[in-house]
Amino acid sequence: SQTIHQWPATLVQPVGSPLSLECTVEGTSNPNLYWYRQAAGRGLQLLFYSVGIGQISSEVPQNLSASRPQDRQFILSSKKLLLSDSGFYLCAWTTGEGYGYTFGSGTRLTVV
Amino acid sequence: AQSVTQLDSQVPVFEEAPVELRCNYSSSVSVYLFWYVQYPNQGLQLLLKYLSGSTLVESINGFEAEFNKSQTSFHLRKPSVHISDTAEYFCAVSAYQGGSEKLVFGKGTKLTVNP
Repeated sequence: SQTIHQWPATLVQPVGSPLSLECTVEGTSNPNLYWYRQAAGRGLQLLFYSVGIGQISSEVPQNLSASRPQDRQFILSSKKLLLSDSGFYLCAWTTGEGYGYTFGSGTRLTVV
Repeated sequence: AQSVTQLDSQVPVFEEAPVELRCNYSSSVSVYLFWYVQYPNQGLQLLLKYLSGSTLVESINGFEAEFNKSQTSFHLRKPSVHISDTAEYFCAVSAYQGGSEKLVFGKGTKLTVNP
């Protein structure tokens, strides 16, 4: 069966520290992968998406970056976190048009 | 560009009452429409979707949504809600661009079912 794993579930990091969030998908190949951020009252904001290994598209300029080193692995990173990076980060995947997304369980990031 | 407007940020209702969560979208191309549900501190789960065909789509837990092209709406309804339906609901519209399907989400509606 197809599953998506996202970790860690919660993370508290000081301002200026680095960040690495990982997402992996099982049971499918060549998925489209996405990173979303959910902030209170602001809905879901698409941060990055990837249609293949090494192919990353950024939707908004920000303090974050993404990488896809393997077909089913998607990583969200930052060199130096800002307070404004706090939020709930969701990874998602899809295999094609009209299927919608399958979401991971999310990472609650608090920058202090 | 596509956009989604969820007209109500919060909807409180009593148990066993009917509910309607409103969603309007804008798009210059044919779209697919989705409703997702999110329980506290969890990811989003697909509730139902409209791709084509019958404009009324149903979920397994009693929700339904009707696609209305002339009004560009995709409202979610349930005739009798339960306490367990308390969650946040997101409407989304998709477009297939650049080799990837992108979903644009509304800001969500928090449904609170009270006893």
